[in-house]
Amino acid sequence: GNSVTQMEGPVTLSEEAFLTINCTYTATGYPSLFWYVQYPGEGLQLLLKATKADDKGSNKGFEATYRKETTSFHLEKGSVQVSDSAVYFCALSEQGAQKLVFGQGTRLTINP
Amino acid sequence: SQTIHQWPATLVQPVGSPLSLECTVEGTSNPNLYWYRQAAGRGLQLLFYSVGIGQISSEVPQNLSASRPQDRQFILSSKKLLLSDSGFYLCAWSGTGYQPQHFGDGTRLSIL
Repeated sequence: GNSVTQMEGPVTLSEEAFLTINCTYTATGYPSLFWYVQYPGEGLQLLLKATKADDKGSNKGFEATYRKETTSFHLEKGSVQVSDSAVYFCALSEQGAQKLVFGQGTRLTINP
Repeated sequence: SQTIHQWPATLVQPVGSPLSLECTVEGTSNPNLYWYRQAAGRGLQLLFYSVGIGQISSEVPQNLSASRPQDRQFILSSKKLLLSDSGFYLCAWSGTGYQPQHFGDGTRLSIL
């Protein structure tokens, strides 16, 4: 079946550090890939997406590239801020499927 | 633009009491609708999804049920709550194809 695996958290960084949160997936077809962010006490917000191989999704300084050869969709940001502290979820949606498959989430804390 | 509303934001209920959480979507027709539960410190578990009025798919056998009495209304219910029903409940909607899911702000349910 389809699955998403994220790097285990929590991740703690200093402000302006470089961020990478790893995400790999298993899928039988050609999924779309997503990163969602959940700020404390809130619902999930779509951060970025990619719908085919080699697509790069980007938003708010975050980027992730759909790598079919390594089945990965790692999230990166060049310089994190305290306001980026949140839980980040990687997810996939199979073509024609109505459901998302989520990773377990990675809690990120940025210290000033 | 489309919006999704969930209420209440916070709910404290005694064990054995009934439950009704409501979710409505505005600005779109025939959305796919979803209920998720997020236990403390964990990822998202899909509970129910619906592709149309009266059409409910259950992902996990449990103490909860869902109904879709109108096109843009999705209700999560229980006749008798258990302690294990505590958690953060999220409603989401999506269109068809590769469109991502959009989440409400969630309901934090505590069972005493």
